[in-house]
Amino acid sequence: QQQVKQSPQSLIVQKGGISIINCAYENTAFDYFPWYQQFPGKGPALLIAIRPDVSEKKEGRFTISFNKSAKQFSLHIMDSQPGDSATYFCAAFTEDSNYQLIWGAGTKLIIKP
Amino acid sequence: DAGITQSPRYKITETGRQVTLMCHQTWSHSYMFWYRQDLGHGLRLIYYSAAADITDKGEVPDGYVVSRSKTENFPLTLESATRSQTSVYFCASSERGHPFGAFFGQGTRLTVV
Repeated sequence: QQQVKQSPQSLIVQKGGISIINCAYENTAFDYFPWYQQFPGKGPALLIAIRPDVSEKKEGRFTISFNKSAKQFSLHIMDSQPGDSATYFCAAFTEDSNYQLIWGAGTKLIIKP
Repeated sequence: DAGITQSPRYKITETGRQVTLMCHQTWSHSYMFWYRQDLGHGLRLIYYSAAADITDKGEVPDGYVVSRSKTENFPLTLESATRSQTSVYFCASSERGHPFGAFFGQGTRLTVV
């Protein structure tokens, strides 16, 4: 019940296309859903995050869509660029989790020029 | 330089040896975290600290020891390294305790042979 399932494992998108990464969870106590971006040799960096009382959040070309009833959320990257090539992680958090972020397994995104 | 730094960046050690990974942050953040990153698992919390001299276990603490005598330092010690501890280790710090807002170091790649 503590898992966050992320798909796909890897994704190749043409430059200018839309990249979509999906995550699903079981624990309805989760109350914060961040996405992280990680470049090779670097630590993860917070990209965008959403709370379950919001169905969508947009920051520039990055959008989180949240479906509370389906217990799913997704990251959309519009107009994908080669500089977006990285590994993306979804995660979930609840105040009751003793500071533990529950991480998805990651999606390696490659944007082809 | 401001930020969070980990040392060493790469380490090879033998099974059974003790090894210490260092983490130093210059922001005076109260909270610090240690994660390990393995392929297919995302990040898993090893230990965290809410303040100097306050530490607590995360998801995978066995075989690890931490200390926090000063706010800015949070070393992680593997008391008797095992091959299963081969991983990339990330240290992170956070001002408000919420791990999703944490800043990550660049990681230490540890290989136990």
